[in-house]
Amino acid sequence: ETGVTQTPRHLVMGMTNKKSLKCEQHLGHNAMYWYKQSAKKPLELMFVYSLEERVENNSVPSRFSPECPNSSHLFLHLHTLQPEDSALYLCASSRTATSGSYEQYFGPGTRLTVT
Amino acid sequence: DAKTTQPTSMDCAEGRAANLPCNHSTISGNEYVYWYRQIHSQGPQYIIHGLKNNETNEMASLIITEDRKSSTLILPHATLRDTAVYYCIVRVAGAGGFKTIFGAGTRLFVKA
Repeated sequence: ETGVTQTPRHLVMGMTNKKSLKCEQHLGHNAMYWYKQSAKKPLELMFVYSLEERVENNSVPSRFSPECPNSSHLFLHLHTLQPEDSALYLCASSRTATSGSYEQYFGPGTRLTVT
Repeated sequence: DAKTTQPTSMDCAEGRAANLPCNHSTISGNEYVYWYRQIHSQGPQYIIHGLKNNETNEMASLIITEDRKSSTLILPHATLRDTAVYYCIVRVAGAGGFKTIFGAGTRLFVKA
């Protein structure tokens, strides 16, 4: 247990569906992150939130919409996805995003399949 | 782009030390070296990090060369459960803060 939880753990959705991924951290951290890991590819950073403000958007398509209502919760809203968006989506948190000296803690991920 | 290069895969015998190398020749003075590992389809697990000095914790030791251009992660007594992909990462300062850019990592196979 890392103190970062993600729900659901598995999700199958059609290309016309709208769904949301949820992440919650119980560590008192101020920074949260979304990563995507496609099959046989390295983790790709998608979004970074620092004190509930988005500070990084790594050229992610608009069909992915993040939301950070408070420092403990992070959502990824999904709509009109493509089959190539099928991947493991990982959430992470760290004490701060403004210092390089703090490690990140990752959740278990949501395995997303787009049909 | 990731600022590190690692071997694609390595083998280690159970009970022996596993030494995983990493090159980060373009590292800047304020950038830390981190190691994470990922067991199949799980979230990455933090192992250790350092700036200049060697570091040790309950999981591993991190040896950083004096010029900081390379480092080695040491698992002192590898077990079968240490089979995983090990990522060496340099946290890079960006406009929005520090970013963790993952490369392909080293796939470590611990064999009985």
